[in-house]
Amino acid sequence: ETGVTQTPRHLVMGMTNKKSLKCEQHLGHNAMYWYKQSAKKPLELMFVYNFKEQTENNSVPSRFSPECPNSSHLFLHLHTLQPEDSALYLCASSQEIQGVDEQYFGPGTRLTVT
Amino acid sequence: QKEVEQNSGPLSVPEGAIASLNCTYSDRGSQSFFWYRQYSGKSPELIMSIYSNGDKEDGRFTAQLNKASQYVSLLIRDSQPSDSATYLCAVTNQGGKLIFGQGTELSVKP
Repeated sequence: ETGVTQTPRHLVMGMTNKKSLKCEQHLGHNAMYWYKQSAKKPLELMFVYNFKEQTENNSVPSRFSPECPNSSHLFLHLHTLQPEDSALYLCASSQEIQGVDEQYFGPGTRLTVT
Repeated sequence: QKEVEQNSGPLSVPEGAIASLNCTYSDRGSQSFFWYRQYSGKSPELIMSIYSNGDKEDGRFTAQLNKASQYVSLLIRDSQPSDSATYLCAVTNQGGKLIFGQGTELSVKP
């Protein structure tokens, strides 16, 4: 396991539910990311936070709502999801230094929307 | 054209052979290049990063970068069955965004 933790590891939710994914990094990094990984597709960047400020929202539907209360914690709030949102959701962190951006991933949350 | 392209495989090599994984990218201004390994059901694990033209070696792994040809590769020497995984190429584009390829599945047969 890396210095990035995610909970829960598995989540099954109905389309009318509201749930939250949590990510915590213990690496002292200043940037955190949410990615979506669907079967047979490249990793899709969803959100980027740098020093707690959102710097990227990659045209993600509003049913996904990120929150970054501090540089160590990142949440993804989910509501009224669709079955096609079922995927592996990955959190990553990095220490952004110009020209160097090694991202380290958490174990992921396997989400199933029924 | 995809920003980062990899052959999806599967690439099958016998144990002890050299596995060669290739990646091309479209943004000529890209500066940072990474290889991640992802076992089935697990998250990506960073195994190599390379920032300048040439070769970079780390144990059985060698990353090769050719910016003129917009090409980056990963060689795995003395391949082991435990190397069987999907290998993701990732490139930081001029906008500073990390773009991933779809990954190459590697199978090392005993």
